[in-house]
Amino acid sequence: DGGITQSPKYLFRKEGQNVTLSCEQNLNHDAMYWYRQDPGQGLRLIYYSQIVNDFQKGDIAEGYSVSREKKESFPLTVTSAQKNPTAFYLCASSPQGAGETQYFGPGTRLLVL
Amino acid sequence: KQEVTQIPAALSVPEGENLVLNCSFTDSAIYNLQWFRQDPGKGLTSLLLIQSSQREQTSGRLNASLDKSSGRSTLYIAASQPGDSATYLCAVRTGGYQKVTFGIGTKLQVIP
Repeated sequence: DGGITQSPKYLFRKEGQNVTLSCEQNLNHDAMYWYRQDPGQGLRLIYYSQIVNDFQKGDIAEGYSVSREKKESFPLTVTSAQKNPTAFYLCASSPQGAGETQYFGPGTRLLVL
Repeated sequence: KQEVTQIPAALSVPEGENLVLNCSFTDSAIYNLQWFRQDPGKGLTSLLLIQSSQREQTSGRLNASLDKSSGRSTLYIAASQPGDSATYLCAVRTGGYQKVTFGIGTKLQVIP
């Protein structure tokens, strides 16, 4: 089945710890995105990548980092610099072209211990 | 800066009723508008995508319209079912890959 997978479903972070959220897609999509969803707010873009080995900051990139070494994978690291990391994180992908539909993964909920 | 507003924030209807969800946006220079469905604790599922040159799109019991000049879109759901209960989000693209603005959503409950 084609789609986007995210792991883990739940992730707990201790103070000062970096954690990495996984996102994999087998849709052969060029573009991939990371969003953060908080209660009472619309999704906010953290990072996006149009092609392998290239990525750009979104609206709230501070405290996060990404890599895009393979077309299928776009992991997100939440660093200790992110002071309010508790949120629902969603990964998405789309074919090349700004007019294309975005497809979303099931999400990872990050909680702080 | 693009702003997207969805009204109402929550809606409860009896099964079988036809209903309309609203989405408004402040910048009419858009590429497209997309409606999504989100079940609790899950990711988003794309329902309909309307390009800026289109007026409406239909899929089964769903019909989405777009009026760029007034900055509005509606999602019409016919003969609602309990399985339609979810949060419905609209998203507007006004530029490249990074220029997508999401609304907060309308939480729909369809009562059997």
